[in-house]
Amino acid sequence: AQTVTQSQPEMSVQEAETVTLSCTYDTSESDYYLFWYKQPPSRQMILVIRQEAYKQQNATENRFSVNFQKAAKSFSLKISDSQLGDAAMYFCAGVFFSGGYNKLIFGAGTRLAVHP
Amino acid sequence: NAGVTQTPKFQVLKTGQSMTLQCAQDMNHEYMSWYRQDPGMGLRLIHYSVGAGITDQGEVPNGYNVSRSTTEDFPLRLLSAAPSQTSVYFCASRNRDSSSYEQYFGPGTRLTVT
Repeated sequence: AQTVTQSQPEMSVQEAETVTLSCTYDTSESDYYLFWYKQPPSRQMILVIRQEAYKQQNATENRFSVNFQKAAKSFSLKISDSQLGDAAMYFCAGVFFSGGYNKLIFGAGTRLAVHP
Repeated sequence: NAGVTQTPKFQVLKTGQSMTLQCAQDMNHEYMSWYRQDPGMGLRLIHYSVGAGITDQGEVPNGYNVSRSTTEDFPLRLLSAAPSQTSVYFCASRNRDSSSYEQYFGPGTRLTVT
């Protein structure tokens, strides 16, 4: 069975600083996609960044980047130059290709507070 | 293009009542799913559908029914509401042939069962 684990229930960062959210996963599959989703107070789920397992290069989207360590099964999210609008719940998730319908599996989430 | 829509946004039920959460998408996506979000547990898959007339159970299906008569609609039925079903419910869809595997989520329904 595949699992996604986020061990930090809450994190905080000062505005303009950098913060890293941790995520580990467990799978026996060799092919998979990993995602970070942001959920602001509006409840809307917003895709932040995506990483394909076969790509060695870490994905980057503006101030958001990942550190993908395939051997360690680690997928952390780095937010640079944090802004007040980054305050949200962040979910790590994965799709692990094992044939048939490939389900999106979520971690428990990390609540990020941004202090001015 | 409205994306994924859900109604209602909020609902309060008494134990034993039944109701249907509505979900619709206008992107012609084959795949649709229902998740529930609970504190400390992330989102868990309740039921999913890979096309009209085809549904299957996810991780936490007990107490819920689904059907998919059209590509656009995927309602979730609570047969006899229980306090344990107090949660936030999300509907999502994606294109079967999407190379990105990105799911598009609705705005969610907050359900309270008293």
